[in-house]
Amino acid sequence: QKEVEQDPGPLSVPEGAIVSLNCTYSNSAFQYFMWYRQYSRKGPELLMYTYSSGNKEDGRFTAQVDKSSKYISLFIRDSQPSDSATYLCAMSWGSGGGADGLTFGKGTHLIIQP
Amino acid sequence: EAGVTQFPSHSVIEKGQTVTLRCDPISGHDNLYWYRRVMGKEIKFLLHFVKESKQDESGMPNNRFLAERTGGTYSTLKVQPAELEDSGVYFCASSGTYTGELFFGEGSRLTVL
Repeated sequence: QKEVEQDPGPLSVPEGAIVSLNCTYSNSAFQYFMWYRQYSRKGPELLMYTYSSGNKEDGRFTAQVDKSSKYISLFIRDSQPSDSATYLCAMSWGSGGGADGLTFGKGTHLIIQP
Repeated sequence: EAGVTQFPSHSVIEKGQTVTLRCDPISGHDNLYWYRRVMGKEIKFLLHFVKESKQDESGMPNNRFLAERTGGTYSTLKVQPAELEDSGVYFCASSGTYTGELFFGEGSRLTVL
């Protein structure tokens, strides 16, 4: 069993739709949970950063962490064509990328159709 | 402010040759990380520098890989001799102390033929 499972997609939705992306993980020691966005031929860019369980909102993006279920989600409201990218979940034991490296999911390729 | 820069952006070499990848982190960032993505796989952690010291190199695949960060500024990752399975995209990331946010470079794509 992989430490982090993420459906690679592609996931194609019409512009304006609500997008739901998620990851499951097996290691209960993970404390920090992140979502990165990666455009083609670019490096990952941090979108959301969450500690332990709960919700975090930033503009059109909402991150949810359910540690009891070992399940994290990213919601994108009012999706735009510019949101088309690969979304990677990542997690770590310590402060996101502190003394330990991040464990990534494979990434979900998201396509927003105009 | 300049981001994390990596060089070269793409390198094509023959099996058995040597390649050196370079990473310039964001100025003032003590933490520097190397990650690798092999085609079809997840991005995997390779190692972590704090200034010039190796904090964690548990992800380095084998002794053909050598990372250095002299003077605590830029870092190099040397692969010698390169094998076919070393092909992939090598990402460098940096972060300021305790900020928790990693800034990634655009990656160096390595193709070993």
